[in-house]
Amino acid sequence: KQEVTQIPAALSVPEGENLVLNCSFTDSAIYNLQWFRQDPGKGLTSLLLIQSSQREQTSGRLNASLDKSSGRSTLYIAASQPGDSATYLCAVSGAGSYQLTFGKGTKLSVIP
Amino acid sequence: EAQVTQNPRYLITVTGKKLTVTCSQNMNHEYMSWYRQDPGLGLRQIYYSMNVEVTDKGDVPEGYKVSRKEKRNFPLILESPSPNQTSLYFCASSDLAGRSGANVLTFGAGSRLTVL
Repeated sequence: KQEVTQIPAALSVPEGENLVLNCSFTDSAIYNLQWFRQDPGKGLTSLLLIQSSQREQTSGRLNASLDKSSGRSTLYIAASQPGDSATYLCAVSGAGSYQLTFGKGTKLSVIP
Repeated sequence: EAQVTQNPRYLITVTGKKLTVTCSQNMNHEYMSWYRQDPGLGLRQIYYSMNVEVTDKGDVPEGYKVSRKEKRNFPLILESPSPNQTSLYFCASSDLAGRSGANVLTFGAGSRLTVL
């Protein structure tokens, strides 16, 4: 059974810092990996999706990488802003499966 | 506007009283799915559907039912709710584009359910 782990569970950084969030998964037979953002009391917003054949995806200040063989993904946020404060979740979709397994998330606080 | 709409957003009910949480999407997506989110447990998949009349269990299907009679709707049914089903529920949809696995998911705003 796929297990997805996100470390750290919480992170606090000063505004302007570059930061990396980590996601690891136990079964490397994945179809894709997605990073989401969740604001308190709100739904999830998809940030980036990486197909299993890809190594990275970029959107603005965000860059996500995928190393399928080692079961790891990172989300890099450049020049963090207070508006980036949220919980970030990663989720993997199993190859040949429509099931999606989520990590428990990293709660990010960017201090002005 | 492309969106996933859930109703109700908030509901307090009592043990054993059947309830339905509706989910509707306007993007003609094939894939729809239900999740529950609990503190310390994260998001867990309840059921998913690849198309009309095609559904399958996720990780925590016990106590729930779903149906997919129309492409745009995917209601979650709790036949006899119990307090352990108190949770925050999310519906999501995506375009499969002929490939396996879920693609970019669009989530609803969530439905907070309390069962007394």
